[in-house]
Amino acid sequence: QSVLTQPPSASGTPGQRVTISCSGSSSNIGTNTVNWYQQLPRTAPKLLIYSNNQRPSGVPDRFSGSKSGTSASLAISGLQSEDEADYYCAAYDDSLNGPVFGGGTKLTVL
Amino acid sequence: QVQLVESGGGLVKPGGSLRLSCAVSGFTFSHYYMSWIRQAPGKGLEWVSYISSSSTYTNYADSVKGRFTISRDNAKNSLSLQMNSLRAEDTAVYFCARLTVDPAGDPDYFDYWGQGTLVTVSS
Repeated sequence: QSVLTQPPSASGTPGQRVTISCSGSSSNIGTNTVNWYQQLPRTAPKLLIYSNNQRPSGVPDRFSGSKSGTSASLAISGLQSEDEADYYCAAYDDSLNGPVFGGGTKLTVL
Repeated sequence: QVQLVESGGGLVKPGGSLRLSCAVSGFTFSHYYMSWIRQAPGKGLEWVSYISSSSTYTNYADSVKGRFTISRDNAKNSLSLQMNSLRAEDTAVYFCARLTVDPAGDPDYFDYWGQGTLVTVSS
């Protein structure tokens, strides 16, 4: 059971907008920033969004992040086939004294 | 460009030991926190441990505390994870990652990852 809760799966058609939720608590998302990672099939995770809504250099602006209270969301607009991947949210947890991840959401592009 | 290359994975019996290494290049290693994160087969990501830039501070997940030891050699741009008393549930791909801290100096996000090394604990 992961500390952060994500839906196990999500799907959309090319061009569509998809959102993935991440629910936490006051000791993690409620207090600290949220980061998102993309893991393409058979590859290492890659930083997608940091500090709730910042994109590293090279990440398309189709990807955006937001946070409200103890929840966060990742939005992907103009969905493309290459976006098919696993997506993980993460935050530092002050009670557990360490970073925690969500269980991951498998995104399928139909 | 930034490169992190893990090595040392393999098959080990329960109760055995293994030492993982991560060779780093492309940034000033001694300026950054570093971390290990693992992923069991078909499962999600689990943070394992991190170490501060000068090795002053280390932190471990409860699942590995007392069994695993993280260390670094800033002169050799190298990160290590000594894993003792291994259990079947430690079977996973182990990634090393650079850990960026926030302005307050607290761990924030993992911005570069290696490709991982597989550790299998089985008799």
